[in-house]
Amino acid sequence: GENVEQHPSTLSVQEGDSAVIKCTYSDSASNYFPWYKQELGKGPQLIIDIRSNVGEKKDQRIAVTLNKTAKHFSLHITETQPEDSAVYFCAASIGKNFVFGPGTRLSVLP
Amino acid sequence: GAGVSQSPRYKVAKRGQDVALRCDPISGHVSLFWYQQALGQGPEFLTYFQNEAQLDKSGLPSDRFFAERPEGSVSTLKIQRTQQEDSAVYLCASSLAGQNTDTQYFGPGTRLTVL
Repeated sequence: GENVEQHPSTLSVQEGDSAVIKCTYSDSASNYFPWYKQELGKGPQLIIDIRSNVGEKKDQRIAVTLNKTAKHFSLHITETQPEDSAVYFCAASIGKNFVFGPGTRLSVLP
Repeated sequence: GAGVSQSPRYKVAKRGQDVALRCDPISGHVSLFWYQQALGQGPEFLTYFQNEAQLDKSGLPSDRFFAERPEGSVSTLKIQRTQQEDSAVYLCASSLAGQNTDTQYFGPGTRLTVL
C-alpha cells in the first residue's frame, strides 16, 4: 500500500525566514496531494493542495511543488510568522482515501 | 456556514466499556471518513462512506469497531469493549462528492481516553 514519509519531524525557524517540509510517497497511482495544518486541540485544516497535472502551486506565502517522477512533493512557507507555528501533515491520495505523513512540528521563533 | 462537528469532544471510558462517537458532516457532503490519530502521529484511515453505503472499512483495527451512517448524513463510530490501545483522537472528515481529488474537511475530533 501507499507509504508517505515526511521530513523533518521538527523544524525551528526565526520569524521572517522560510520553512521547507518535504514528503515522499510510494504509490505512483496517487494523484492528489493536500497539506494540512493542525493546531493544538483542533482538527487538521487544509492550507494548500496540488493535483498531479501541475508541478507547482502558490497561495500568498505558501507554495507546494510536486515531482511525480521522483514521487516527492514539498511545502514552502515564506516570511514565516509566529501564527504559522503548528504541526503540518502532508498526504497522498490512494483510492478515495488519504495516507498521511507523520507530521512536522514547526516552531517560528519571534 | 457550519463545518464538521463531532461530539463528545472528550470521552473517558473504563476498559471494557462501549463508546459511541458522533460526526455531523457539512450539509450536502456525500462522502464521510473516519480517521484515528495517535499522539504525535498523522491521522490513519479507518472507514469511508458514500451516502449511507460503507464502501471501505479496511482500516478498522478489529471487529470491536463499527461505523454506520444510516441516513447518509450523521455518522456514528462505535467501539465495543474498549481497550487501552484504543486511546486516541478520532477524527471525522467529509467531502462534497466521491472523487479522490476532493478536499476533505475535518472536524475537531473526539479525544478518547481508556483507563
